[in-house]
Amino acid sequence: AQSVTQPDIHITVSEGASLELRCNYSYGATPYLFWYVQSPGQGLQLLLKYFSGDTLVQGIKGFEAEFKRSQSSFNLRKPSVHWSDAAEYFCAVGVYNFNKFYFGSGTKLNVKP
Amino acid sequence: DAGVTQSPTHLIKTRGQQVTLRCSPKSGHDTVSWYQQALGQGPQFIFQYYEEEERQRGNFPDRFSGHQFPNYSSELNVNALLLGDSALYLCASSLLQGNNQPQHFGDGTRLSIL
Repeated sequence: AQSVTQPDIHITVSEGASLELRCNYSYGATPYLFWYVQSPGQGLQLLLKYFSGDTLVQGIKGFEAEFKRSQSSFNLRKPSVHWSDAAEYFCAVGVYNFNKFYFGSGTKLNVKP
Repeated sequence: DAGVTQSPTHLIKTRGQQVTLRCSPKSGHDTVSWYQQALGQGPQFIFQYYEEEERQRGNFPDRFSGHQFPNYSSELNVNALLLGDSALYLCASSLLQGNNQPQHFGDGTRLSIL
């Protein structure tokens, strides 16, 4: 069965520090992978996506993610975190040509001044 | 260019009642998906509509039903509301599969069941 695991429920980093949010997926075929961000009371905004090709993908707001098939992972990274990055981050896998999306349970990011 | 819009933004109902939530997709999109996001959880896929038909469905009971109109807008209906139906309901729109277009989300409808 398809599933997405985000092992870290909460993460706190200092402003200016680097960030890595973990995501592991379970899916039998080639996955289509996404990272979304959600601010309180808001919907989800797409940060980046992986469909095929280069395993390192760049997104908005300075985020990037690396697809590692051998580890079934799609971790999100940012070299220097800003206070405005504090939000909840969701990893998702699209299956059946995007007819279904499976989301992880999210990682809440706090940023210390 | 308007994004995905949902109405109402908040709704309070009591157990046993019925509710209808509405969604207008992003301009140019023809596919609408609905998700339920309980507090502290990730969104759970309810179903997806294209060409006014339900294409895929998640693990939700028949109390959850939907509709898509010729203008691509969509409604989510929930009958016989339970306390556990309290959640943020998100609508997402996209282009037809095969165009490699991800889903764009609205801000959701917060449904509270008393």
